[in-house]
Amino acid sequence: DVKVTQSSRYLVKRTGEKVFLECVQDMDHENMFWYRQDPGLGLRLIYFSYDVKMKEKGDIPEGYSVSREKKERFSLILESASTNQTSMYLCASDSTASTDTQYFGPGTRLTVL
Amino acid sequence: ILNVEQSPQSLHVQEGDSTNFTCSFPSSNFYALHWYRWETAKSPEALFVMTLNGDEKKKGRISATLNTKEGYSYLYIKGSQPEDSATYLCAFMKYTGNQFYFGTGTSLTVIP
Repeated sequence: DVKVTQSSRYLVKRTGEKVFLECVQDMDHENMFWYRQDPGLGLRLIYFSYDVKMKEKGDIPEGYSVSREKKERFSLILESASTNQTSMYLCASDSTASTDTQYFGPGTRLTVL
Repeated sequence: ILNVEQSPQSLHVQEGDSTNFTCSFPSSNFYALHWYRWETAKSPEALFVMTLNGDEKKKGRISATLNTKEGYSYLYIKGSQPEDSATYLCAFMKYTGNQFYFGTGTSLTVIP
């Protein structure tokens, strides 16, 4: 059974803290994605990666960075968390097959106080 | 940023009712349209991938149709059950690139 796991389901941090969200997939997928989901806005792409050590900006990369040191792991980093980064964060992965579906983790609900 | 719209935003139906909702997307540069179901506290789960104009897919009581010329897809649920309660997301893929463009979702509540 395919699996994408995220390090935390719920996280509470303070403004200015550095935050790491970890995502691991066990399907040997080349592509990994980080989204955030906010009410009324749908899933918005923050960053994605097509390969180890490779990253591309999505639609809303400001305030975030990512790291992909190993194929199975994709980390989202909030260098200095702010209250407007309070959101649900979802990780996904897929293969390079042209219309392959994306497989999602369960999400991390981050609250920045 | 591409505009993918879903309607209605939310829907409450009685158990046994049939229902449908819409995903609208750009009709140019179409590659694929994905439907997902997202239950509370779970991961979004893929329902369908649709690629051809006129495509119709079915999984149990759920089916979907696709019109790429006019840029819409319908999702139908026949005889809704409480376990169908979820948010239904559609995602558009354009011909170039690997990015998904998600709609805002339709939240369905089925009342027993």
